[in-house]
Amino acid sequence: GENVEQHPSTLSVQEGDSAVIKCTYSDSASNYFPWYKQELGKGPQLIIDIRSNVGEKKDQRIAVTLNKTAKHFSLHITETQPEDSAVYFCAAHYNFGNEKLTFGTGTRLTIIP
Amino acid sequence: EAQVTQNPRYLITVTGKKLTVTCSQNMNHEYMSWYRQDPGLGLRQIYYSMNVEVTDKGDVPEGYKVSRKEKRNFPLILESPSPNQTSLYFCASSPLTVSNQPQHFGDGTRLSIL
Repeated sequence: GENVEQHPSTLSVQEGDSAVIKCTYSDSASNYFPWYKQELGKGPQLIIDIRSNVGEKKDQRIAVTLNKTAKHFSLHITETQPEDSAVYFCAAHYNFGNEKLTFGTGTRLTIIP
Repeated sequence: EAQVTQNPRYLITVTGKKLTVTCSQNMNHEYMSWYRQDPGLGLRQIYYSMNVEVTDKGDVPEGYKVSRKEKRNFPLILESPSPNQTSLYFCASSPLTVSNQPQHFGDGTRLSIL
């Protein structure tokens, strides 16, 4: 099965600076890597995703990069704002014999005004 | 409004008393799933369903049951709850029968088993 490790578990960043969260996965057969943002009292919400045939994807201030050789992918948030404060989860879809989605353990991001 | 609705949002109960957490989606999605969220462990998948009458185990299925008799509903059943099932539970759905696509999550159900 798949195993996803996420670092760091907590991250504090000055408003306006960039934040980077990293995840590694164990199985080279994984082919889909979403990132979810969870605000207090709410369910996770997809913010960006990437598939294994793409190396980088960007959506305004958010970008995700994928290194298949090293089996890791990263979330980059530029020009951080107070509303970026939340818990972020990465996940990996293991495309072989089941339809499970494996999540990382989460990163609590705090933006310091 | 497109949404995934879970009920109840909060529940405190006792060991051994059967309970059901309901999940309903109004987006005609094929795939539905249940997760539990625990501090330091992230989200772990309990069960998922790719279509009506099709369910399969996730990573932590022990002590749980599910059913998918209709496309819109995917209840989570704890037949004999125990304290180690105290957790925050999320239901999610996505359009197709596979999980490699964006999932829409409900707002969660916090269960406390005493």
